Amino acid sequence: DTAVSQTPKYLVTQMGNDKSIKCEQNLGHDTMYWYKQDSKKFLKIMFSYNNKELIINETVPNRFSPKSPDKAHLNLHINSLELGDSAVYFCASSQARIAGGPTDTQYFGPGTRLTVL
Amino acid sequence: AQSVSQHNHHVILSEAASLELGCNYSYGGTVNLFWYVQYPGQHLQLLLKYFSGDPLVKGIKGFEAEFIKSKFSFNLRKPSVQWSDTAEYFCAVNPNSGGYQKVTFGIGTKLQVIP
Repeated sequence: DTAVSQTPKYLVTQMGNDKSIKCEQNLGHDTMYWYKQDSKKFLKIMFSYNNKELIINETVPNRFSPKSPDKAHLNLHINSLELGDSAVYFCASSQARIAGGPTDTQYFGPGTRLTVL
Repeated sequence: AQSVSQHNHHVILSEAASLELGCNYSYGGTVNLFWYVQYPGQHLQLLLKYFSGDPLVKGIKGFEAEFIKSKFSFNLRKPSVQWSDTAEYFCAVNPNSGGYQKVTFGIGTKLQVIP
């Protein structure tokens, strides 16, 4: 059983295009996240949603727009793709939205490797 | 804002050698600490975590980590590594501030175990 799934696994596209990455979790968690892992493997949070509500937006360019149709899904839409957007994007989920307890462990999806040419 | 430093970026060990990966964080308050592992081609998985109680935490696959509050450290250890431990290891910190979760990851340490 896949806990956190993402599609597609690989995405190759031209500069200027618009693309979407989908994420679904079947853990019953209330909170979902998007992270970007750059070529140096540095992992940085982009967004966090709790029960369809945006709670963290880490000064990401507004070309990136997350959308949460329900608490089990968090999609990431990227407009006007740039070379610097090439990275691996990870979706994650956690039971708790508040830090500080045994339930704040985040569970990660397999990642989507985005390559912008 | 919190930050995480992992001192060793690339570690090469022979099988059966002992492992210690350093992790230091900067944050003035209470924190929850994590080690995640990313095996080649796979997603991040939780190795172990500390949120309260005994500062020596035991995780999966024989790994353990010790939280030393005075040193702001959470080093990962394993007495005898195996080839299958080859992976990237990430230390992470989540301020226990009662606010929203905002995990900060270190840059990762690539561990290569030679048979």
